[in-house]
Amino acid sequence: QVQLVQSGAEVKKPGSSVKVSCKASGGTFSSYTINWVRQAPGQGLEWMGRIIPILAIANYAQKFQGRVTITADKSTNTAYMELSSLRSEDTAVYYCARGGNQSPNWFDPWGQGTLVTVFS
Amino acid sequence: NFMLTQPHSVSESPGKTVTISCTRSSGSIASNYVQWYQQRPGSSPTTVIYEDNQRPSGVPDRFSGSIDSSSSSASLTISGLKTEDEADYYCQSYDSSNHVVFGGGTKLTVL
Repeated sequence: QVQLVQSGAEVKKPGSSVKVSCKASGGTFSSYTINWVRQAPGQGLEWMGRIIPILAIANYAQKFQGRVTITADKSTNTAYMELSSLRSEDTAVYYCARGGNQSPNWFDPWGQGTLVTVFS
Repeated sequence: NFMLTQPHSVSESPGKTVTISCTRSSGSIASNYVQWYQQRPGSSPTTVIYEDNQRPSGVPDRFSGSIDSSSSSASLTISGLKTEDEADYYCQSYDSSNHVVFGGGTKLTVL
């Protein structure tokens, strides 16, 4: 059973960038999609984008176009999400989640989440 | 793009049945599958319903999903409520470009 293990919490200054990793443990994700979803404190879920690791093709929510980059390293079964030009409103828990093979928009499993705090 | 609108909160007593709605603002609810996720405080979301009405293994049959094209809405119904069902529930779907949309979430209180 695959698990997604994310990197640890980050504290960043406004204007900087953050890169969060998501490693598939107990399986591979090459034939699936990896999605990134964030949740601001006390708020709902917000989809940021996805990558198909086997094709190295990513697409992004319009809101984050130009500011987010999602990549994947098939050799290590690790996906990355980099968000640039950070502002206080980017303070959130960032989750990775695998999209199903037959149902790419069904997210299961999810990583444990990575808290990113943007603080001056 | 479209929005998915959920009630902010619902509450019901243990043993009862509750239904959470998710209304699509434009386009047909039947155009793209709807998923439902449960999120307990401090935890990652988990799936309770996928593809409108399918339950992943391990999810009790007290959870069911449906769609109603006439009202362009999806529903999550939980019967025989237990205190452990208290959580936030999110519906999710996607558009023709495979861009994902989440509902705003519904806080379920079992009291």
